[in-house]
Amino acid sequence: EAGVAQSPRYKIIEKRQSVAFWCNPISGHATLYWYQQILGQGPKLLIQFQNNGVVDDSQLPKDRFSAERLKGVDSTLKIQPAKLEDSAVYLCASSLRPPSYEQYFGPGTRLTVT
Amino acid sequence: AQKITQTQPGMFVQEKEAVTLDCTYDTSDPSYGLFWYKQPSSGEMIFLIYQGSYDQQNATEGRYSLNFQKARKSANLVISASQLGDSAMYFCAMREGSDFNKFYFGSGTKLNVKP
Repeated sequence: EAGVAQSPRYKIIEKRQSVAFWCNPISGHATLYWYQQILGQGPKLLIQFQNNGVVDDSQLPKDRFSAERLKGVDSTLKIQPAKLEDSAVYLCASSLRPPSYEQYFGPGTRLTVT
Repeated sequence: AQKITQTQPGMFVQEKEAVTLDCTYDTSDPSYGLFWYKQPSSGEMIFLIYQGSYDQQNATEGRYSLNFQKARKSANLVISASQLGDSAMYFCAMREGSDFNKFYFGSGTKLNVKP
């Protein structure tokens, strides 16, 4: 089966610009996650969707970050405006319905903000 | 307090030997799950093993086993017969919350397998 797809793989922008990332989860996976992984750290969960509803977004900086999952399949994560500290790898993962424990991760998008 | 603590930033092991990667966790929920993931230099996170808080036996998956000590709140990963391909970052993670909607990762341990 196809894995979690993400695009773009790399993105370089200047601070105060906006950027969007796209994720296509594994077919049939109801739960989708966005993580931020800063260099040298473990991933931090930003937002979790169950179908097209938000389960948890307590760690999403809502003043600049937004995410949506229309139709319960693909998802986009947007940053507007970007700051230098947003430089990180943004990982998307998906899993079957909770409490299924296994998350499948995509290759990530490496964002550099200059 | 940190939810997941991995105290070993880096570890070395000789090929074919066993190695233990440490992980301690902090939660007051009676129901939680513990995970280990591998992240090679390519960047993709690979699921290795899972332990539920109510599981009576330690989880095992091939060469991976999880040494679960509930009273000590530790969930160490044991890799037997290390291979060169095991060189990677290893992350311990925990899921908790009424809907299992809270996920936390540790800072990781860099494992280097020497030939």
